[in-house]
Amino acid sequence: SQQGEEDPQALSIQEGENATMNCSYKTSINNLQWYRQNSGRGLVHLILIRSNEREKHSGRLRVTLDTSKKSSSLLITASRAADTASYFCATDDNNNDMRFGAGTRLTVKP
Amino acid sequence: KAGVTQTPRYLIKTRGQQVTLSCSPISGHRSVSWYQQTPGQGLQFLFEYFSETQRNKGNFPGRFSGRQFSNSRSEMNVSTLELGDSALYLCASSIRPGGWETQYFGPGTRLLVL
Repeated sequence: SQQGEEDPQALSIQEGENATMNCSYKTSINNLQWYRQNSGRGLVHLILIRSNEREKHSGRLRVTLDTSKKSSSLLITASRAADTASYFCATDDNNNDMRFGAGTRLTVKP
Repeated sequence: KAGVTQTPRYLIKTRGQQVTLSCSPISGHRSVSWYQQTPGQGLQFLFEYFSETQRNKGNFPGRFSGRQFSNSRSEMNVSTLELGDSALYLCASSIRPGGWETQYFGPGTRLLVL
């Protein structure tokens, strides 16, 4: 079963714009991660945020975590056509079980 | 350093057959996890192996099994294939169990069951 639910399911923006994707989850977590997947290929780990962290940055990526609302957001600033991909959030818990959300399909138009 | 490799990349089987997929982790990585990705169910965790022992198992029937060898290479087996087993099967390796920040995914094996 899927732990996280991302919204929107699909997002289309112009190059240079910012893209924001959200993820909600249901149970207590240890960590939340964001992954990128290019069309039916393997996942690429983007960023991990621990349950005691509220915000984390990596290059053009900014992730926030609100454990009280059981939600996270991924912001990609100054998007590029190469950012076109599906983005998934994943959570792990005390049992080290990893659960993925359904993903957001991002299209960045040049 | 070579990445995670999975073989075969594509596979077509018929219902009732069995299939074995292989995953070679990054050198030095001892933990291997397997995931199934389908359009309907999304990404789901299958199992994780570390030091030849299964550490975690997702909610899949007993038809799905796996093992890990002493060189950390892992195989997963699906017996009595069903149409719903058609999926992209991803494996990921990490240095240690639960080492999510150091987890790297392979390109996947796309299985089609007819």
